[in-house]
Amino acid sequence: AQSVTQPDIHITVSEGASLELRCNYSYGATPYLFWYVQSPGQGLQLLLKYFSGDTLVQGIKGFEAEFKRSQSSFNLRKPSVHWSDAAEYFCAVEGGNKLVFGAGTILRVKS
Amino acid sequence: NAGVTQTPKFQVLKTGQSMTLQCAQDMNHNSMYWYRQDPGMGLRLIYYSASEGTTDKGEVPNGYNVSRLNKREFSLRLESAAPSQTSVYFCASSESRLYGYTFGSGTRLTVV
Repeated sequence: AQSVTQPDIHITVSEGASLELRCNYSYGATPYLFWYVQSPGQGLQLLLKYFSGDTLVQGIKGFEAEFKRSQSSFNLRKPSVHWSDAAEYFCAVEGGNKLVFGAGTILRVKS
Repeated sequence: NAGVTQTPKFQVLKTGQSMTLQCAQDMNHNSMYWYRQDPGMGLRLIYYSASEGTTDKGEVPNGYNVSRLNKREFSLRLESAAPSQTSVYFCASSESRLYGYTFGSGTRLTVV
């Protein structure tokens, strides 16, 4: 069965600094991978997705993620973080017609 | 606006009470899902419906039942609520695995 690990429960970065959120997945076949963001009290919004092809994918709000099959990773990055990026971020892998989510990483942005 | 609508947004139940969480989508999606979200555990799948007329168990189905009433609506029922079911419940729908899911805004349920 597929699974997702997000090693960092909390991350704090300064506004304007770069960001990388880690995600490792376990899946037997070629994975369909997603990153979602959840603002407090809100539902989840899709940031980006990877199915095949170019291993560097671009998403909304200036985010990108890189798929590395050899490391079973799909890390999320942003060159310069804004205070509005403070939220919880979830990595997910699709398999068997359903998404399996990681436990999430809470991003705090300090000014 | 197109999307996934969940009702109610908040609910407090006493142990042993029953209730139904409603979910409707207007995007003509085939698949619908119910997840629960608990701190530090991400979202866990309760039940899903790959198409109208079908439902399947997810990771944490115990204590819940679902009904896919039609293509638009997918309800989640708690027959006898327990404090362990205190959680935030999210409904989602999907056109296909290629597009990811569209989520509702959630139902915050407290069982006392």
